[in-house]
Amino acid sequence: DIVMTQSPDSLAVSLGERATINCKSSQSVLYSSNNRNYLAWYQQKPRQPPKLLIYWASTRESGVPDRFSGSGSGTDFTLTISSLQAEDVAVYYCHQYYSTPLTFGGGTKVEIK
Amino acid sequence: EVQLVESGGVVVQPGGSLRLSCTASGFTFDDYTMHWVRQAPGKGLEWVSLISGDGGSAFYADSVRGRFTISRDNSKNSLYLQMNSLRTEDTALYYCAKAIGITLLYYAMDVWGQGTTVTVSS
Repeated sequence: DIVMTQSPDSLAVSLGERATINCKSSQSVLYSSNNRNYLAWYQQKPRQPPKLLIYWASTRESGVPDRFSGSGSGTDFTLTISSLQAEDVAVYYCHQYYSTPLTFGGGTKVEIK
Repeated sequence: EVQLVESGGVVVQPGGSLRLSCTASGFTFDDYTMHWVRQAPGKGLEWVSLISGDGGSAFYADSVRGRFTISRDNSKNSLYLQMNSLRTEDTALYYCAKAIGITLLYYAMDVWGQGTTVTVSS
């Protein structure tokens, strides 16, 4: 199974400042035949289902603000919120869909400092 | 509007059975792989199972394999999860989710339902 490890578990960032969340997979999620990283990021607010932010490691889902960006390849990935807004308070999960069993990271809770 | 609505969650005793349903609308249901993902109270997300658009391929998490069965009825735009031999650790909010693409089996999940709660308790 591919283990997804997120860091930090939580972080507090001032409004307008940058938030960075890291995700490391126990094996590569880069599929060589199509050169795609099978890695997604989700945002989950309290009492709501997860919302897809980023897929293929760096493709922003339609309607997602451009302050959210994803980067990385192979086993190391980053979600960046360039200028934190109050509505970004949530738990963020990385997710690999390279192979079954599909797996999620443990989540990173983002709060306002 | 693309929508997924889960139902069937109840309180059930350990060892019992339950069938969850997910009704889809707003998209061509049989084009897409569908998933079940669960979230125990106060915990993170755990993928449970997926089924291909034609129902010909299904995969499971180790924690449910042999106890849970995923299925779909494309004529009814519906996804199901038959849950047998339930354990207390199966207590969770169960989401159904749709894959974002149609060409490959494995994609991110772009649409999620609101979930249905399963509680396994004596």
